[in-house]
Amino acid sequence: EAQVTQNPRYLITVTGKKLTVTCSQNMNHEYMSWYRQDPGLGLRQIYYSMNVEVTDKGDVPEGYKVSRKEKRNFPLILESPSPNQTSLYFCASSWAPNTEAFFGQGTRLTVV
Amino acid sequence: EDQVTQSPEALRLQEGESSSLNCSYTVSGLRGLFWYRQDPGKGPEFLFTLYSAGEEKEKERLKATLTKKESFLHITAPKPEDSATYLCAVQPINAGNNRKLIWGLGTSLAVNP
Repeated sequence: EAQVTQNPRYLITVTGKKLTVTCSQNMNHEYMSWYRQDPGLGLRQIYYSMNVEVTDKGDVPEGYKVSRKEKRNFPLILESPSPNQTSLYFCASSWAPNTEAFFGQGTRLTVV
Repeated sequence: EDQVTQSPEALRLQEGESSSLNCSYTVSGLRGLFWYRQDPGKGPEFLFTLYSAGEEKEKERLKATLTKKESFLHITAPKPEDSATYLCAVQPINAGNNRKLIWGLGTSLAVNP
């Protein structure tokens, strides 16, 4: 089954404690991206990757890091989380940026 | 400034009561317009892509149409399982290599049995 898998689904952490949200896709897609979704602001792109070892900033990259060492995996790293990073996060993958995107189930992150 | 506005914010229908959701956009040029469905607590699920004015696409009870300024998602004889938030996203021609999407805030649809 074609899918994008994110882990964990829910996470509560404290300010400053480094965390990683994993994302894996099984469709051999080249393009992957991370979004955050906040009430009243909609979906905003954090980072994207056009292919292995090729990543770039989206609209709201501050406070986040990503890596793309393998085609299937695209982890999101918060080196020092802050409360304003409390949000619902989605990983997405597609063949190309302008094609149908498959989204993960989401990670609800709370930073206290 | 490129912008996408969806209306209404929320819509409540009785089962079988057809209606339309609107997505109006302001971009210098349109590469594509996407419709997604999002269920509570889940990621968006792709519905349609439209590329040029006059284009229409259908899937079960849903039909998407596109003009030069807006897109409509028509829902015919909806069922309770159509309840979800419907998201519209626009890809401008000048979106760069990223082909970045501009997302609307969505229309929350509730269909009562």
